Amino acid sequence: DAGVIQSPRHEVTEMGQEVTLRCKPISGHDYLFWYRQTMMRGLELLIYFNNNVPIDDSGMPEDRFSAKMPNASFSTLKIQPSEPRDSAVYFCASSRQVGGEKLFFGSGTQLSVL
Amino acid sequence: EDQVTQSPEALRLQEGESSSLNCSYTVSGLRGLFWYRQDPGKGPEFLFTLYSAGEEKEKERLKATLTKKESFLHITAPKPEDSATYLCAVQEGSYIPTFGRGTSLIVHP
Repeated sequence: DAGVIQSPRHEVTEMGQEVTLRCKPISGHDYLFWYRQTMMRGLELLIYFNNNVPIDDSGMPEDRFSAKMPNASFSTLKIQPSEPRDSAVYFCASSRQVGGEKLFFGSGTQLSVL
Repeated sequence: EDQVTQSPEALRLQEGESSSLNCSYTVSGLRGLFWYRQDPGKGPEFLFTLYSAGEEKEKERLKATLTKKESFLHITAPKPEDSATYLCAVQEGSYIPTFGRGTSLIVHP
C-alpha cells in the first residue's frame, strides 16, 4: 500500500486566496483525521471523519475552514479566505478504528500564506 | 492545563549516551498511550502502543514503559540515525488521541 497520500507537498499563497489541501487515506481505513502542526501549538486535531461522515469538527479554528469527504478514498480541507496565521503544516491521517488504534500519517502539506 | 506534557523539549546526546524521554498525562480513563517518531519534513510514524501500567515494549534501541501517570521512552546507546522528534499521544476513553508537543532529539556522532 502507498500509505496516506497528501497533495500538494508545499503551497505558497497570498492572503485572501482560497487554499485546498487533498488527502487519500489508506484503503480500508474507516477513520480520517486532519491535523495542523505549528511550533507554538504542536499537533492539533482539526476534524475527523468516520465512514465519510464528519464526527467532530470542534478543532476547526474558524468558519474559514471547511472539510469534506465525498467518498472513502478522498478528502479535502479548504481555507477561504486564507490568512498568514494559517501558515503551518497540515497532516492527514487514517486508521481502521479509533479505539487504541495507531494512526498512519501522510507526509503533510507545508502551507505558507504571505 | 495540558493533558499531555513531554520533557525535555530538546535533548542533545553523544552517540552511545543512553537517556530517557518523559511523557506525563492527566487523563483518568487511559485507553492507550502512543509513541511516534517524526523526521523533518515527514509525518509522525508509529512506534509503540501501551495500554496498562506496568506494560513495556521494545524495538531495537528503544524501550517504552508506562505507569499510571507517565510513560518513558528509554534510548539505549543511541546512534545519529535516532535523531528525530518523538511524540507522545494519549487516548482517553473513546476520544481521539491528544498529542504532546514532542521532544526533539539530536544524537551527535
